[in-house]
Amino acid sequence: NAGVTQTPKFQVLKTGQSMTLQCAQDMNHEYMSWYRQDPGMGLRLIHYSVGAGITDQGEVPNGYNVSRSTTEDFPLRLLSAAPSQTSVYFCASSYTGDSYNEQFFGPGTRLTVL
Amino acid sequence: AQSVAQPEDQVNVAEGNPLTVKCTYSVSGNPYLFWYVQYPNRGLQFLLKYITGDNLVKGSYGFEAEFNKSQTSFHLKKPSALVSDSALYFCAALESGYSTLTFGKGTMLLVSP
Repeated sequence: NAGVTQTPKFQVLKTGQSMTLQCAQDMNHEYMSWYRQDPGMGLRLIHYSVGAGITDQGEVPNGYNVSRSTTEDFPLRLLSAAPSQTSVYFCASSYTGDSYNEQFFGPGTRLTVL
Repeated sequence: AQSVAQPEDQVNVAEGNPLTVKCTYSVSGNPYLFWYVQYPNRGLQFLLKYITGDNLVKGSYGFEAEFNKSQTSFHLKKPSALVSDSALYFCAALESGYSTLTFGKGTMLLVSP
């Protein structure tokens, strides 16, 4: 199993550009989530999904969209990039929507917005 | 609302000495508690979790954590630190009935030779 994969690993955008961060998992996990990691702030939840067709907002959803058309994929879209979105983004998955199951994290995408 | 505090930004310990990384939580009802580790330029890896039962939880790489309900703490411990344990450690909490984890800000552990 590849686990949780994320692409790209690095990305530089200009303010106002849009892009999609890809996330895929091959473990048939129901629960998937997106976090951003900023120095001194830990991980903050952006959006999450408890199954295909179901998404919900986390702590910091503004400026991001998600969809979950398949169990495997959970892309994160930046609609109009801003410097405040410069961060490291992690996708994670777990077996069920009851997230007392441990989460498996991807390697991250480091995004810089100029 | 659930919250997690890691009061130390950094913990320094000499190799071979015991280590403790502190975590306190605030949730309503019974908490689910987790520790994750992040090595440089990597994603987080699960270390251990407390759901119910024994207050001392054993996890990967020789780590353990002690759940203390009265002090609302879940400190991570290891009897003998290794240089390779140097990493960023995150405590996380989940309130029963919720589906989202809340992470602490992380504690950098530096183990010197």
